[in-house]
Amino acid sequence: QVHLVESGGGVVQPGRSLRLSCGASGFIFSDIGMHWVRQAPGKGLEWVAVVSMDGKVQYYGDSVEGRFTISRDNSKNTVYLQMNSLRVEDTAVYYCAKERYNGPGNYYDYWGQGTLVTVSS
Amino acid sequence: DIQMTQSPSTLSASVGDRVTITCRASQTINTWLAWYQQRPGKAPKLLIYEASSLESGVPSRFSGSGSGTYFTLTINSLQPDDFATYFCQQYNSYSTWTFGQGTKVEIK
Repeated sequence: QVHLVESGGGVVQPGRSLRLSCGASGFIFSDIGMHWVRQAPGKGLEWVAVVSMDGKVQYYGDSVEGRFTISRDNSKNTVYLQMNSLRVEDTAVYYCAKERYNGPGNYYDYWGQGTLVTVSS
Repeated sequence: DIQMTQSPSTLSASVGDRVTITCRASQTINTWLAWYQQRPGKAPKLLIYEASSLESGVPSRFSGSGSGTYFTLTINSLQPDDFATYFCQQYNSYSTWTFGQGTKVEIK
């Protein structure tokens, strides 16, 4: 059974940093690309970042490019999101999501329960 | 970037109704489209992938169709569990993913 468990959320001041973690189990972690997707309160879903199965390739959404870094440790079955220079508009529930291979981009077959990040002074 | 536009934003319906949600892409995405259901306070759940393929375990009253730039999600005989928000997502390239803004299905 696939499980994704996010942690590391909390309240942080604008301009500060935070690191999120997502622990995975129930599948061969090193075979699958992993994503972070966020949802601001009462809003829709926004893709944030992806890391390839070997960790060598990353892509980012425009709103976080240059401030956030996605990485993974396949020995720990964990994907990370390092968030620097946080802004009020980064306030959201952050979900990690597992890819399933299909077509050029892949979709998400499992999501974690999410972790809330609140950026406020 | 590819933009995804869903309509309507909110849909009021009754148990037993047939409802249809539309998703349009700003450029062609072939059939690289997924639909997710999100209940309040919960993570999204995969319903449909590749525009019309039903995810294992998802009730057959859910169906998807479309290709190119126009897609629909239909729920036949709406059940109480189906009152939720639905999102479409395009996955036409491995460098950017975009979602529709969501459609909330609420009880009339």
